Amino acid sequence: GAVVSQHPSRVICKSGTSVKIECRSLDFQATTMFWYRQFPKQSLMLMATSNEGSKATYEQGVEKDKFLINHASLTLSTLTVTSAHPEDSSFYICSATMGQGGYGYTFGSGTRLTVV
Amino acid sequence: GENVEQHPSTLSVQEGDSAVIKCTYSDSASNYFPWYKQELGKRPQLIIDIRSNVGEKKDQRIAVTLNKTAKHFSLHITETQPEDSAVYFCAASRGGSYIPTFGRGTSLIVHP
Repeated sequence: GAVVSQHPSRVICKSGTSVKIECRSLDFQATTMFWYRQFPKQSLMLMATSNEGSKATYEQGVEKDKFLINHASLTLSTLTVTSAHPEDSSFYICSATMGQGGYGYTFGSGTRLTVV
Repeated sequence: GENVEQHPSTLSVQEGDSAVIKCTYSDSASNYFPWYKQELGKRPQLIIDIRSNVGEKKDQRIAVTLNKTAKHFSLHITETQPEDSAVYFCAASRGGSYIPTFGRGTSLIVHP
């Protein structure tokens, strides 16, 4: 089945630094990947849709200059949290589809970001 | 856009009881309804899904029902076990290139 790998699983960084999170589709090509943010005991909040070879589409209210998304290949998308602040601390999860769009949605393992 | 409402937000049951989680959706064009289970600190895992051409689907202790006319669908877990304790999310999608819209989640607690 479809496997999506996400790294790192946990990261602690200092305020003002940048953190890069990787999302890889291991056994399929993902033309589209999605990035979510999840606060404790809350649902998944879609941040952006990442399309291979083109600019990401950000949801309303998500700062594109703060959350940089790159989808350079059919198997890799990265999310970089720039100039991180404590309020950016959260659980970030990527997901990808096998080209079937909404029918084949698979999540990465998530990244717990803590900014101190 | 699509709007998915999920209830209850918390559900507490005794081991062996049944649990039912309900969702409603607003977009009549939605035709794919997956359910995810998320354990603490882990990724959401697809546990069952249903497409609009069927009204019910069952997989061992888990079943999902869909009422397209009323635009609601439900997750049924029978003979609950402590390991069923997790947060469950419903979602609705038009499938294809459309992104699923997720419900707010239900925290299921199964007491031994």
